[in-house]
Amino acid sequence: AQSVTQLGSHVSVSEGALVLLRCNYSSSVPPYLFWYVQYPNQGLQLLLKYTSAATLVKGINGFEAEFKKSETSFHLTKPSAHMSDAAEYFCAVGPFGNEKLTFGTGTRLTIIP
Amino acid sequence: GAGVSQSPRYKVAKRGQDVALRCDPISGHVSLFWYQQALGQGPEFLTYFQNEAQLDKSGLPSDRFFAERPEGSVSTLKIQRTQQEDSAVYLCASSNRDRGFLETQYFGPGTRLLVL
Repeated sequence: AQSVTQLGSHVSVSEGALVLLRCNYSSSVPPYLFWYVQYPNQGLQLLLKYTSAATLVKGINGFEAEFKKSETSFHLTKPSAHMSDAAEYFCAVGPFGNEKLTFGTGTRLTIIP
Repeated sequence: GAGVSQSPRYKVAKRGQDVALRCDPISGHVSLFWYQQALGQGPEFLTYFQNEAQLDKSGLPSDRFFAERPEGSVSTLKIQRTQQEDSAVYLCASSNRDRGFLETQYFGPGTRLLVL
């Protein structure tokens, strides 16, 4: 069984500040982990994915995430927030890739000008 | 190329009405997924096709939900006798699993279903 917990349903940061969105997972097998972003009235767009290669994964739009097995975490970070980063962010876990993703409940990111 | 498309984008149904939601995956993609996203929640898996074969339907909430992909391309999710708790956004995703296990799922914009 797999599950994902996203701590903080709402996060607000000032423009230019560090973005940190938290994700902890539970998986009985080595996981594949994903971060997706969802803009209003749009589908999900992949930001980055971890597939057991490098533990630090770089994605689009300046985002990156680090896989920490000891902490069962896959937190998403960005050094400097832009107004365009305001969106809903979802962490997801999959068994051997993509057959059946299990998503967290999401974190709504607000950027303060 | 074109992404995943879904139609209609919005659907209002009266309770008890049947609805059909369509998904056009990215051309050539082998795998197709349906997810249900309730308001304020993350997407939840409904069902998965590889070509025309429905390999996993464990997420379908009841026998009122039925999905098909008869020619291994376009898929239709049908909901019979809709109920208010069916109101949600229905997301379709496709991936090219033929090239390995690690392919990304590409999502469509979703169909927002409101049952009155």
